[in-house]
Amino acid sequence: SAVISQKPSRDICQRGTSLTIQCQVDSQVTMMFWYRQQPGQSLTLIATANQGSEATYESGFVIDKFPISRPNLTFSTLTVSNMSPEDSSIYLCSVEDRSTSGRYNEQFFGPGTRLTVL
Amino acid sequence: GENVEQHPSTLSVQEGDSAVIKCTYSDSASNYFPWYKQELGKGPQLIIDIRSNVGEKKDQRIAVTLNKTAKHFSLHITETQPEDSAVYFCAASFNDYKLSFGAGTTVTVRA
Repeated sequence: SAVISQKPSRDICQRGTSLTIQCQVDSQVTMMFWYRQQPGQSLTLIATANQGSEATYESGFVIDKFPISRPNLTFSTLTVSNMSPEDSSIYLCSVEDRSTSGRYNEQFFGPGTRLTVL
Repeated sequence: GENVEQHPSTLSVQEGDSAVIKCTYSDSASNYFPWYKQELGKGPQLIIDIRSNVGEKKDQRIAVTLNKTAKHFSLHITETQPEDSAVYFCAASFNDYKLSFGAGTTVTVRA
C-alpha cells in the first residue's frame, strides 16, 4: 500500500492565523482526501482533492475556510484559514490505492496533523 | 447520506477472550465496509474490509461478517492480546472511497 507522510505532525497556533498542512505519497494515486477528527470523535470527510481542478467539498466545509491544492498525483495541501479554537483537531490525509490482491481499491490514511488553536 | 451507527462505544475484555463490535448502516446501496484500527497518536490503519458480494471474511484472528438484509456488519477479534487495545472504526460506502464512519469503539484488553 501507499506510504503517506504529513507535515507538520503537530502545531500550536494563535487564533486568526492560518496553517498549511502537507501530504506526500510515495506513489501516484488518483484519489486523495482530507478528513477532520475532532478530539475523541470520529472522522469526517472535508473534501476530495482533485488533481488539476478545484477540490470537492462536503456539506459544512467551504473553500474559503479550507483551501486545498493538488498540483500533482503525489502531493496535496490543506490550509486551515483564520483559525479559532474550534478548529483544534487532527487533520488526516488519505489516499485510495490498490489492495495487495490488486482487485480492488482501498483507502489508507496518513499519520495525521494534530492542531491546537489557542 | 449514509449514517453508520457503532456499538459499543467502549469494550473491555480479558486477554485471550473475544471482542465483537457491531455496526449498522442506513443506505442499502452501500457495498464496501472497511474496519480501521487507530492507536494513540497515529492515523487509522485498515485492518480488514468486506464487500457486499460476500458474507464473511477472515484474516488470522480477525473476522468480519456482513448481513445485507439487516444492514449490519460486525468485527470479531479472537484470542485478544494487549496490542489489540485501540480505537476501532467501522465505515461504509457505495463508491469505494467516500467513507462514512461510525463513532468508534475503544477496546481495552486487560492482561
